[in-house]
Amino acid sequence: AQSVTQLDSQVPVFEEAPVELRCNYSSSVSVYLFWYVQYPNQGLQLLLKYLSGSTLVKGINGFEAEFNKSQTSFHLRKPSVHISDTAEYFCAVSDVGSGSARQLTFGSGTQLTVLP
Amino acid sequence: NAGVTQTPKFRVLKTGQSMTLLCAQDMNHEYMYWYRQDPGMGLRLIHYSVGEGTTAKGEVPDGYNVSRLKKQNFLLGLESAAPSQTSVYFCASSHRSYEQYFGPGTRLTVT
Repeated sequence: AQSVTQLDSQVPVFEEAPVELRCNYSSSVSVYLFWYVQYPNQGLQLLLKYLSGSTLVKGINGFEAEFNKSQTSFHLRKPSVHISDTAEYFCAVSDVGSGSARQLTFGSGTQLTVLP
Repeated sequence: NAGVTQTPKFRVLKTGQSMTLLCAQDMNHEYMYWYRQDPGMGLRLIHYSVGEGTTAKGEVPDGYNVSRLKKQNFLLGLESAAPSQTSVYFCASSHRSYEQYFGPGTRLTVT
């Protein structure tokens, strides 16, 4: 079984500043990794995913994440945030070859608040 | 395409009442999922389905039942609602990839 830890429940940052949202996972097998974003009163939307290949993954809205297998981390970064990036961000993991289920395990979320 | 839709958007139930939440997707996806979202706990999987006519239990299945009689629909039932089931419920679907597409959610309050 896998688990996901998002180390910060709240991250306040000023507009145009860089941000990093941290995610660590544990699993006994290879994993696929995801970051989802949830804007207020909406469902979740995929930001980016790591399935294989380059460990630096670029997503929508200028976000990127780096898969670090030795540190079991998949931190999300953006060099310059906007007010519109204010949302909750979820890291999720799925075991490779998790059979037919394609189940995701989610972290508890990080609320990013961008301040003017 | 509408993507994933959920009905209703809001509902208030009294303890012991029953209700069914409907999820529909128009993307011809094989896999469908029901999650609940509670503050500080992320999303937890209730039940899922890997195809029409099949369902399986997730992490927190107690107190819920599901059915998938048609490929495009996935129903979540609460037979006797309890205050602990107050939550926001999300449905998701996926095709062959691991990317899941989410509906807008149903906010349920049980008093």
